[in-house]
Amino acid sequence: EPEVTQTPSHQVTQMGQEVILRCVPISNHLYFYWYRQILGQKVEFLVSFYNNEISEKSEIFDDQFSVERPDGSNFTLKIRSTKLEDSAMYFCASSGLGPMSNQPQHFGDGTRLSIL
Amino acid sequence: SQQGEEDPQALSIQEGENATMNCSYKTSINNLQWYRQNSGRGLVHLILIRSNEREKHSGRLRVTLDTSKKSSSLLITASRAADTASYFCATASPIQGAQKLVFGQGTRLTINP
Repeated sequence: EPEVTQTPSHQVTQMGQEVILRCVPISNHLYFYWYRQILGQKVEFLVSFYNNEISEKSEIFDDQFSVERPDGSNFTLKIRSTKLEDSAMYFCASSGLGPMSNQPQHFGDGTRLSIL
Repeated sequence: SQQGEEDPQALSIQEGENATMNCSYKTSINNLQWYRQNSGRGLVHLILIRSNEREKHSGRLRVTLDTSKKSSSLLITASRAADTASYFCATASPIQGAQKLVFGQGTRLTINP
Protein backbone atom coordinates (compact mmCIF):
# COMPACT_ATOMS: atom_id res chain seq x y z
CA GLU A 1 0.00 0.00 0.00
CA PRO A 2 1.42 3.42 -0.93
CA GLU A 3 2.50 5.55 1.99
CA VAL A 4 3.76 8.99 2.90
CA THR A 5 7.45 9.01 3.79
CA GLN A 6 9.22 11.64 5.86
CA THR A 7 12.90 12.32 6.41
CA PRO A 8 14.71 12.63 8.67
CA SER A 9 12.96 10.77 11.46
CA HIS A 10 14.76 12.92 14.03
CA GLN A 11 16.40 16.31 13.56
CA VAL A 12 18.40 18.11 16.22
CA THR A 13 19.16 21.77 15.47
CA GLN A 14 20.60 24.74 17.29
CA MET A 15 18.21 27.61 17.99
CA GLY A 16 18.35 30.19 15.22
CA GLN A 17 19.36 27.70 12.56
CA GLU A 18 17.32 26.89 9.49
CA VAL A 19 15.80 23.45 9.14
CA ILE A 20 14.14 21.70 6.20
CA LEU A 21 11.81 18.79 6.76
CA ARG A 22 11.15 16.57 3.79
CA CYS A 23 8.16 14.55 2.72
CA VAL A 24 7.28 12.35 -0.22
CA PRO A 25 3.47 12.26 -0.47
CA ILE A 26 1.53 9.42 -2.08
CA SER A 27 2.18 9.72 -5.80
CA ASN A 28 -1.31 10.36 -7.20
CA HIS A 29 -2.41 12.69 -4.41
CA LEU A 30 -2.97 16.36 -5.09
CA TYR A 31 -3.39 17.92 -1.65
CA PHE A 32 -0.54 18.18 0.80
CA TYR A 33 -0.47 19.20 4.44
CA TRP A 34 1.82 19.83 7.37
CA TYR A 35 0.73 19.38 10.97
CA ARG A 36 2.68 19.48 14.19
CA GLN A 37 2.26 17.87 17.60
CA ILE A 38 4.02 19.34 20.59
CA LEU A 39 4.75 16.65 23.16
CA GLY A 40 1.61 15.81 25.11
CA GLN A 41 -0.60 18.12 23.08
CA LYS A 42 -3.05 17.73 20.23
CA VAL A 43 -2.13 17.60 16.57
CA GLU A 44 -2.32 21.10 15.07
CA PHE A 45 -2.81 22.10 11.44
CA LEU A 46 -0.07 24.24 9.95
CA VAL A 47 -0.68 24.54 6.22
CA SER A 48 -2.36 22.98 3.20
CA PHE A 49 -0.99 23.12 -0.33
CA TYR A 50 -2.60 22.53 -3.71
CA ASN A 51 -1.71 23.35 -7.29
CA ASN A 52 1.65 24.78 -6.24
CA GLU A 53 0.28 27.26 -3.80
CA ILE A 54 -0.84 27.49 -0.20
CA SER A 55 -4.57 26.85 0.20
CA GLU A 56 -4.82 27.69 3.88
CA LYS A 57 -2.47 28.34 6.76
CA SER A 58 -2.89 28.60 10.50
CA GLU A 59 -1.72 31.42 12.74
CA ILE A 60 1.19 29.18 13.75
CA PHE A 61 2.47 29.32 10.17
CA ASP A 62 4.13 32.72 10.37
CA ASP A 63 6.83 34.29 8.19
CA GLN A 64 9.43 31.90 9.59
CA PHE A 65 7.70 28.99 7.87
CA SER A 66 7.54 28.19 4.18
CA VAL A 67 6.56 25.21 2.06
CA GLU A 68 7.70 24.14 -1.34
CA ARG A 69 7.12 21.41 -3.85
CA PRO A 70 10.47 21.60 -5.67
CA ASP A 71 9.79 18.69 -8.01
CA GLY A 72 7.06 16.18 -8.79
CA SER A 73 7.58 14.12 -5.67
CA ASN A 74 8.93 16.09 -2.70
CA PHE A 75 7.09 18.45 -0.38
CA THR A 76 9.19 20.40 2.09
CA LEU A 77 8.63 22.50 5.19
CA LYS A 78 11.30 25.07 5.98
CA ILE A 79 11.68 26.89 9.27
CA ARG A 80 14.00 29.82 8.71
CA SER A 81 15.20 30.66 12.20
CA THR A 82 14.18 28.01 14.67
CA LYS A 83 12.99 28.77 18.20
CA LEU A 84 12.86 26.51 21.23
CA GLU A 85 9.08 26.36 20.94
CA ASP A 86 9.36 24.86 17.45
CA SER A 87 10.37 21.58 19.09
CA ALA A 88 7.63 19.14 18.12
CA MET A 89 6.77 16.19 15.94
CA TYR A 90 5.99 17.39 12.42
CA PHE A 91 3.67 15.32 10.28
CA CYS A 92 3.20 15.49 6.56
CA ALA A 93 -0.06 14.26 5.05
CA SER A 94 -1.55 13.95 1.60
CA SER A 95 -4.98 13.29 0.17
CA GLY A 96 -6.45 12.61 -3.25
CA LEU A 97 -9.07 14.48 -5.19
CA GLY A 98 -12.70 13.60 -4.64
CA PRO A 99 -16.17 15.09 -4.56
CA MET A 100 -16.62 17.50 -1.66
CA SER A 101 -13.14 16.52 -0.52
CA ASN A 102 -14.36 13.42 1.36
CA GLN A 103 -11.00 11.80 1.12
CA PRO A 104 -8.95 10.61 4.10
CA GLN A 105 -5.61 12.19 4.76
CA HIS A 106 -2.71 9.79 4.92
CA PHE A 107 0.05 10.69 7.34
CA GLY A 108 3.74 9.97 7.44
CA ASP A 109 5.53 8.75 10.57
CA GLY A 110 6.70 12.26 11.35
CA THR A 111 9.95 14.07 11.97
CA ARG A 112 10.82 14.74 15.58
CA LEU A 113 12.40 18.20 15.65
CA SER A 114 14.45 19.07 18.74
CA ILE A 115 15.70 22.63 19.09
CA LEU A 116 18.60 23.13 21.50
CA SER B 1 -13.37 27.22 20.73
CA GLN B 2 -12.38 23.59 21.13
CA GLN B 3 -13.24 21.21 18.32
CA GLY B 4 -13.07 17.44 18.39
CA GLU B 5 -12.86 16.74 22.11
CA GLU B 6 -12.55 13.08 22.99
CA ASP B 7 -13.92 11.39 26.03
CA PRO B 8 -12.63 9.63 28.04
CA GLN B 9 -9.04 10.88 28.03
CA ALA B 10 -7.84 7.43 29.07
CA LEU B 11 -9.47 4.02 28.97
CA SER B 12 -8.12 0.72 30.26
CA ILE B 13 -9.97 -2.53 29.58
CA GLN B 14 -9.35 -6.26 29.43
CA GLU B 15 -8.59 -8.00 26.18
CA GLY B 16 -11.76 -9.21 24.53
CA GLU B 17 -13.92 -6.41 25.91
CA ASN B 18 -15.39 -3.65 23.77
CA ALA B 19 -13.97 -0.13 23.90
CA THR B 20 -16.07 2.95 23.23
CA MET B 21 -14.62 6.40 22.70
CA ASN B 22 -16.62 9.56 22.17
CA CYS B 23 -15.91 12.78 20.35
CA SER B 24 -17.76 16.08 20.45
CA TYR B 25 -17.32 19.07 18.20
CA LYS B 26 -18.74 22.55 17.90
CA THR B 27 -18.91 23.72 14.28
CA SER B 28 -20.45 22.37 11.08
CA ILE B 29 -18.44 19.64 9.46
CA ASN B 30 -18.03 17.99 6.08
CA ASN B 31 -16.80 14.75 7.54
CA LEU B 32 -15.27 13.31 10.69
CA GLN B 33 -12.29 11.00 10.68
CA TRP B 34 -10.83 8.71 13.32
CA TYR B 35 -7.11 8.05 13.56
CA ARG B 36 -4.91 5.79 15.66
CA GLN B 37 -1.46 6.71 16.86
CA ASN B 38 0.93 4.23 18.39
CA SER B 39 3.47 5.74 20.76
CA GLY B 40 5.99 7.85 18.86
CA ARG B 41 4.55 6.95 15.47
CA GLY B 42 2.43 8.60 12.81
CA LEU B 43 -1.33 8.78 12.53
CA VAL B 44 -3.05 5.85 10.91
CA HIS B 45 -6.37 6.58 9.24
CA LEU B 46 -9.11 4.27 10.52
CA ILE B 47 -12.43 5.45 9.16
CA LEU B 48 -14.11 8.49 7.61
CA ILE B 49 -17.79 9.23 8.11
CA ARG B 50 -19.51 11.90 6.05
CA SER B 51 -21.88 14.42 7.55
CA ASN B 52 -24.86 12.76 5.83
CA GLU B 53 -24.00 9.31 7.22
CA ARG B 54 -25.07 8.00 10.61
CA GLU B 55 -23.07 4.82 11.01
CA LYS B 56 -20.14 3.13 9.36
CA HIS B 57 -18.39 -0.20 9.91
CA SER B 58 -14.90 -1.41 9.12
CA GLY B 59 -13.91 -4.80 10.50
CA ARG B 60 -14.07 -4.56 14.31
CA LEU B 61 -14.65 -0.81 14.15
CA ARG B 62 -18.02 0.88 14.28
CA VAL B 63 -18.38 4.65 14.05
CA THR B 64 -21.54 6.63 14.62
CA LEU B 65 -22.21 10.27 13.90
CA ASP B 66 -24.99 12.41 15.34
CA THR B 67 -24.84 15.82 13.70
CA SER B 68 -27.74 17.12 15.79
CA LYS B 69 -25.68 16.51 18.94
CA LYS B 70 -22.39 17.23 17.19
CA SER B 71 -20.93 13.99 18.47
CA SER B 72 -19.38 10.79 17.22
CA SER B 73 -18.39 7.51 18.81
CA LEU B 74 -15.83 4.86 17.93
CA LEU B 75 -16.49 1.32 19.08
CA ILE B 76 -13.79 -1.32 18.92
CA THR B 77 -15.24 -4.76 19.47
CA ALA B 78 -13.37 -7.78 20.84
CA SER B 79 -10.33 -5.68 21.71
CA ARG B 80 -6.80 -7.04 21.33
CA ALA B 81 -3.53 -6.06 22.97
CA ALA B 82 -2.44 -4.62 19.59
CA ASP B 83 -5.28 -2.08 19.81
CA THR B 84 -3.37 -0.29 22.58
CA ALA B 85 -2.79 3.21 21.18
CA SER B 86 -4.14 6.75 21.26
CA TYR B 87 -7.25 7.40 19.22
CA PHE B 88 -8.11 10.80 17.77
CA CYS B 89 -11.13 12.19 16.07
CA ALA B 90 -10.59 14.94 13.52
CA THR B 91 -13.19 17.11 11.86
CA ALA B 92 -12.98 18.52 8.35
CA SER B 93 -14.83 21.77 7.67
CA PRO B 94 -17.29 22.04 4.76
CA ILE B 95 -15.04 23.35 2.04
CA GLN B 96 -14.06 21.96 -1.32
CA GLY B 97 -10.48 21.09 -2.02
CA ALA B 98 -7.92 20.97 0.76
CA GLN B 99 -9.35 19.98 4.11
CA LYS B 100 -8.02 21.36 7.33
CA LEU B 101 -8.34 18.66 9.96
CA VAL B 102 -8.97 19.81 13.51
CA PHE B 103 -7.94 17.18 16.03
CA GLY B 104 -9.03 16.51 19.57
CA GLN B 105 -6.75 15.64 22.48
CA GLY B 106 -7.30 11.93 21.96
CA THR B 107 -8.19 8.92 24.08
CA ARG B 108 -5.34 6.76 25.31
CA LEU B 109 -6.59 3.18 25.13
CA THR B 110 -4.82 0.40 27.03
CA ILE B 111 -5.80 -3.21 26.45
CA ASN B 112 -4.68 -5.46 29.28
CA PRO B 113 -3.90 -9.08 28.33
